[in-house]
Amino acid sequence: ETGVTQTPRHLVMGMTNKKSLKCEQHLGHNAMYWYKQSAKKPLELMFVYSLEERVENNSVPSRFSPECPNSSHLFLHLHTLQPEDSALYLCASSQDEDTHQPQHFGDGTRLSIL
Amino acid sequence: GQQVMQIPQYQHVQEGEDFTTYCNSSTTLSNIQWYKQRPGGHPVFLIQLVKSGEVKKQKRLTFQFGEAKKNSSLHITATQTTDVGTYFCALFMNYGGATNKLIFGTGTLLAVQP
Repeated sequence: ETGVTQTPRHLVMGMTNKKSLKCEQHLGHNAMYWYKQSAKKPLELMFVYSLEERVENNSVPSRFSPECPNSSHLFLHLHTLQPEDSALYLCASSQDEDTHQPQHFGDGTRLSIL
Repeated sequence: GQQVMQIPQYQHVQEGEDFTTYCNSSTTLSNIQWYKQRPGGHPVFLIQLVKSGEVKKQKRLTFQFGEAKKNSSLHITATQTTDVGTYFCALFMNYGGATNKLIFGTGTLLAVQP
């Protein structure tokens, strides 16, 4: 039990589909993050939310759209993805966004784009 | 974007041998974190180093922060098959936004042969 739950664990979708990834944290943290992990690449920070406000958008294409309705939930809406978007998408949370606290990760969603 | 280099990228050892991974930055760091990701798993926080020259131990793992706070190392004594995984350092850097963000290193994949 990591305290950070991601669904679905696996997702296969076509390039024209629309889908959403969900993340929920049960740790009472104020900051949540989306990362992309591709084979043979370091973890890439995509988005940062602090107290439900987006504080960082790391030049991510608009086909990825995050949503944070409250401090416990984070979504990543996907639309018209490309094959190079196939990767493991990891959600993480930390106590606060700027206090250098450890990040707690979910198990990730393995995304495959056909 | 900025990359945090770790060396080696990959190491294969016999069980019982020692292992070391190094993390290097061109800038002085406020602190450094280390994470471990098992195959098929998610990154798990191991430790945070803050002080110049700091050394911390967790059983067979020894973490060190350089005197100049520009590099760090993780040493495992007498590796076991349970040590298999990718070890990441993570640094707080200003990634062009308003505040510092946690940037992950390229990682070192450790394989342990029984």
